[in-house]
Amino acid sequence: KQEVTQIPAALSVPEGENLVLNCSFTDSAIYNLQWFRQDPGKGLTSLLLIQSSQREQTSGRLNASLDKSSGRSTLYIAASQPGDSATYLCAVRGSRLTFGEGTQLTVNP
Amino acid sequence: DGGITQSPKYLFRKEGQNVTLSCEQNLNHDAMYWYRQDPGQGLRLIYYSQIVNDFQKGDIAEGYSVSREKKESFPLTVTSAQKNPTAFYLCASSNTGDTEAFFGQGTRLTVV
Repeated sequence: KQEVTQIPAALSVPEGENLVLNCSFTDSAIYNLQWFRQDPGKGLTSLLLIQSSQREQTSGRLNASLDKSSGRSTLYIAASQPGDSATYLCAVRGSRLTFGEGTQLTVNP
Repeated sequence: DGGITQSPKYLFRKEGQNVTLSCEQNLNHDAMYWYRQDPGQGLRLIYYSQIVNDFQKGDIAEGYSVSREKKESFPLTVTSAQKNPTAFYLCASSNTGDTEAFFGQGTRLTVV
């Protein structure tokens, strides 16, 4: 059974700092890995999708990497802003879509 | 607009009642999923369907039922057998295999 772990569970940083969120998974037989953002009481917004054959994807200030053989992914956020405050979730697609428990990010002005 | 629509946004259930949560997508996706989210926790898979007229249990299917009679619709019924149904319910869809998943805005169910 696929298990997904996200570290840290919570992170508080000052505005402008670069930061890294971590995601690890136990079964490397995946189709893709997706990073989501969730604001309180809302649904999930897709940030980045990395196919199993890819090493990284970039969108604006976000960069996600994937090392399938070691079962790891990182989400790098450059020059963080208060509007980045949210919970960030990673999900891996195998026979089903399995989520980690998320990292709650607070960016302080 | 293409997307996934969940309704209602808020739902209140009395003890012993069954309630049905709606999920509709116009993205022409084959696969649809239902997740439950409790405060401060991640998403747990209830049921998923990869094709019309077929669905599989997820990790916490007890007390729930689904149907997939149409490609665009995947309703979830929370039965009276679900002893702790108060939670935030999220529906998602994707094509099978190597494609992006999209989520609805969720339904918050409260037992009163």
